[in-house]
Amino acid sequence: IAGITQAPTSQILAAGRRMTLRCTQDMRHNAMYWYRQDLGLGLRLIHYSNTAGTTGKGEVPDGYSVSRANTDDFPLTLASAVPSQTSVYFCASSDSTGDGANVLTFGAGSRLTVL
Amino acid sequence: GQNIDQPTEMTATEGAIVQINCTYQTSGFNGLFWYQQHAGEAPTFLSYNVLDGLEEKGRFSSFLSRSKGYSYLLLKELQMKDSASYLCAAGDSNYQLIWGAGTKLIIKP
Repeated sequence: IAGITQAPTSQILAAGRRMTLRCTQDMRHNAMYWYRQDLGLGLRLIHYSNTAGTTGKGEVPDGYSVSRANTDDFPLTLASAVPSQTSVYFCASSDSTGDGANVLTFGAGSRLTVL
Repeated sequence: GQNIDQPTEMTATEGAIVQINCTYQTSGFNGLFWYQQHAGEAPTFLSYNVLDGLEEKGRFSSFLSRSKGYSYLLLKELQMKDSASYLCAAGDSNYQLIWGAGTKLIIKP
C-alpha cells in the first residue's frame, strides 16, 4: 500500500450509535487531518494532528474525537451519531505543517449515512 | 471572516481553454492551492502558488495576485478526462487550508 487507507468505504448507521472511521498512512507523514465534504460546501476541517501524540480542533469538531497514538494511524470517532453527521469523510496527511507548500494526500473517503 | 469564492459550475468544449477563477479572504496568507477531484474520488494536488505570477505545469497553469486576493487555474487543450471539480484552497496564518466549494467543470465533445 502506498498512501492513505480509509475504512469503511461506506456505512449506514442508526442515530445514537458509536462509529469509528479508520485511517492509516504508510508515507511517514507527520501531519494528519480529518475533513468532511458536504454538497455545496468546501472541505471543512474536523480535527488535525501535527505529530504523533498531539491533536487539535478544526473548524467543526463538535461530536467528533480523534487520537494519534502513532505516526501511521488517525482514527475518527463519532460518540453518538446524529443525522447532521451524514457526509463524506476524508482523511489526509502531509509531511509539512508549515513554512512552505503543505501539500495534502487524501484517502479515498468514507461515505457515512446516519438515519 | 475567511472566505473562498469560486464559480459553482463551468462548461467548456474539448480542445478549448478554460479559466477557473478564485478569490480569497484569509487571516494571513500562506499560499494558494488547486486540487482536482473526480466524482466519487479523493482530491489530488494540482498546483501551489505563494508568489505573484504564473506557474505553468504542462496543460495546467495557475496564477496568483496577492494584492487582489485572486487566483485562477488555466486548463489548455481540454480533454474529456478533465471533467472534474476543481478546488481552490488558501493557507491561513496557521497554515491551515480554507477551501472553496469547488467548481464543477463539464467538458463537451
